[in-house]
Amino acid sequence: NAGVTQTPKFRVLKTGQSMTLLCAQDMNHEYMYWYRQDPGMGLRLIHYSVGEGTTAKGEVPDGYNVSRLKKQNFLLGLESAAPSQTSVYFCASTQGEKQFFGPGTRLTVL
Amino acid sequence: AQSVAQPEDQVNVAEGNPLTVKCTYSVSGNPYLFWYVQYPNRGLQFLLKYITGDNLVKGSYGFEAEFNKSQTSFHLKKPSALVSDSALYFCAVRDVLSGGYNKLIFGAGTRLAVHP
Repeated sequence: NAGVTQTPKFRVLKTGQSMTLLCAQDMNHEYMYWYRQDPGMGLRLIHYSVGEGTTAKGEVPDGYNVSRLKKQNFLLGLESAAPSQTSVYFCASTQGEKQFFGPGTRLTVL
Repeated sequence: AQSVAQPEDQVNVAEGNPLTVKCTYSVSGNPYLFWYVQYPNRGLQFLLKYITGDNLVKGSYGFEAEFNKSQTSFHLKKPSALVSDSALYFCAVRDVLSGGYNKLIFGAGTRLAVHP
């Protein structure tokens, strides 16, 4: 099992550019999550999905969109990147009470 | 609203000494509490959880955590620290999303530095 994988690992964007982060899991988990990690703030939930074809907003959804067209994939999109979106993004999936995290994507918006 | 607090940004300990990383919680109802560890340039890894039962919970890599209801605390402990334990540690509490689904609320994290 690869577990939870994320692509890309690093990305630098200019303000106003768009991009999509891909998360994939091979554990057949129903629940998937996108978090952002900022220094001194822990992880904050951006969006989540409780199954294929469903998505919902978390704590900090503004400026992001998501899609879950296939059970194993959860995409996070930035339509018009802003410097405030510079962060490390983590995807996770859940089995019971335990969350499995991907290795993260480090995004810098200039 | 559910929340956790980690009062220390960093904890320094000598190798071989016991370590404690502190966490306090605020919840309505029974708490579901977790500890995760993050090594450099990696995602978070599950260490242990408390849902019910024995107040001392054992987890991965020799870590354990003590649930204390009267002090609303869930401190992470290890009897003898290793340099390889140096990492960022997160306490988390389960919250319920609309629709009855679960999410985790994380503390800000505590950096553990174990010195040889």
